[in-house]
Amino acid sequence: KAGVTQTPRYLIKTRGQQVTLSCSPISGHRSVSWYQQTPGQGLQFLFEYFSETQRNKGNFPGRFSGRQFSNSRSEMNVSTLELGDSALYLCASSLGGVGYEQYFGPGTRLTVT
Amino acid sequence: KQEVTQIPAALSVPEGENLVLNCSFTDSAIYNLQWFRQDPGKGLTSLLLIQSSQREQTSGRLNASLDKSSGRSTLYIAASQPGDSATYLCASAGGTSYGKLTFGQGTILTVHP
Repeated sequence: KAGVTQTPRYLIKTRGQQVTLSCSPISGHRSVSWYQQTPGQGLQFLFEYFSETQRNKGNFPGRFSGRQFSNSRSEMNVSTLELGDSALYLCASSLGGVGYEQYFGPGTRLTVT
Repeated sequence: KQEVTQIPAALSVPEGENLVLNCSFTDSAIYNLQWFRQDPGKGLTSLLLIQSSQREQTSGRLNASLDKSSGRSTLYIAASQPGDSATYLCASAGGTSYGKLTFGQGTILTVHP
């Protein structure tokens, strides 16, 4: 079974631009969660989608948004990029519900200059 | 608000040693606790998941325990090898917090030959 895939793997953007990251979950998984990882803050939860609905959201500004498609693939978008948005963005998939094991993708490394 | 702490922040041991990584959490109302491994610049690899009703889980040279009453989990690595060098992260899943894992800051493990 294929694992979680994320595209692109690396991105360089300029302040003020916007960016879209993509995540394809493990086949059969309906839940996708997104996390931001930085050296200073560690891993922080952004949001979770299940069956195209956002069920949970972390404490991030509205510039961070996401969506999920009917095939469970998910995208996250960051608008008006700031230098502090430079991070490794990880997505994870699971069967859904609370407490199911999460499986992580390789991440997208975003650098904002 | 759940807070997860990992001790020590870094650990360097000679090959062959048995070692223990510690994880503590403030809210004992967890659904499960998951241990991950992260290699530099990579995504997270799930090592063990312990449900709240369980006391321990084992996989090969790894053993994880959970004591909800004291808010602690430990990851025991037997006969460490240089290939075990990585950052180890623990994360808790809350009762109704869909898709959200709360992570510790990690323990950086170096096993030298």
